[in-house]
Amino acid sequence: QSALTQPPSASGSPGQSVTISCTGTSSDVGSYDYVSWYQQHPGKAPKLIISEVTKRPSGVPDRFSGSKSGNTASLTVSGLQAEDEADYYCTSYAGSDNAVVFGGGTKVTVL
Amino acid sequence: QVQLQESGPGLVKPSETLPLTCAVSGYSISSDSYWAWIRQSPGKGLQWIATIYHGGHTYYNPSLKSRVTISVDTSKNQFSLKLKSVTSADTAVYFCARGGAQWWLNHWGQGTLVTVSS
Repeated sequence: QSALTQPPSASGSPGQSVTISCTGTSSDVGSYDYVSWYQQHPGKAPKLIISEVTKRPSGVPDRFSGSKSGNTASLTVSGLQAEDEADYYCTSYAGSDNAVVFGGGTKVTVL
Repeated sequence: QVQLQESGPGLVKPSETLPLTCAVSGYSISSDSYWAWIRQSPGKGLQWIATIYHGGHTYYNPSLKSRVTISVDTSKNQFSLKLKSVTSADTAVYFCARGGAQWWLNHWGQGTLVTVSS
């Protein structure tokens, strides 16, 4: 079961935007619109911020947005705020045999 | 308000079986939901372990499938994980979570640290 590929780090100044990529294959990201994104602060449980590629759960600021093209999904954080500094993980459904694959995570730093 | 709380032994010896339980409150475990276990080794990323659907259908990470069993206890409104033949590589924080049929996980427990050591 191969993990999805994310850049290890990303950064931006307050107010700027940062985009994180999540590259999979035609067996996972490319085949299903079941890509989710999670935000994790140190010592905390992950928090769902994007589901089904583009959907924002209730309470998640609209600064967070998701998209997908082919085998690559992306998370964009617009108008960066200090509290956005965290680790971000993507996941995708990968079929009944593999079910769920996670990305390696991206540490976002607000400069 | 859905709440999940993991419980486990904290310390397990190599080659033993790790039992973990996730107590669910504020939501019926018999509902139309997916229940999952995810772990995170110290300083590392998240790894999905297993998921069980309310109908009893199970899904396992292929790399762990031979050692893992996930189950639901409706009488106690909880679900469990058993991981056999543990090694130091299984040292991690173990999270339980609830999700939907679209494979998102929107409620998580706080996590429980399990250390494998003699």
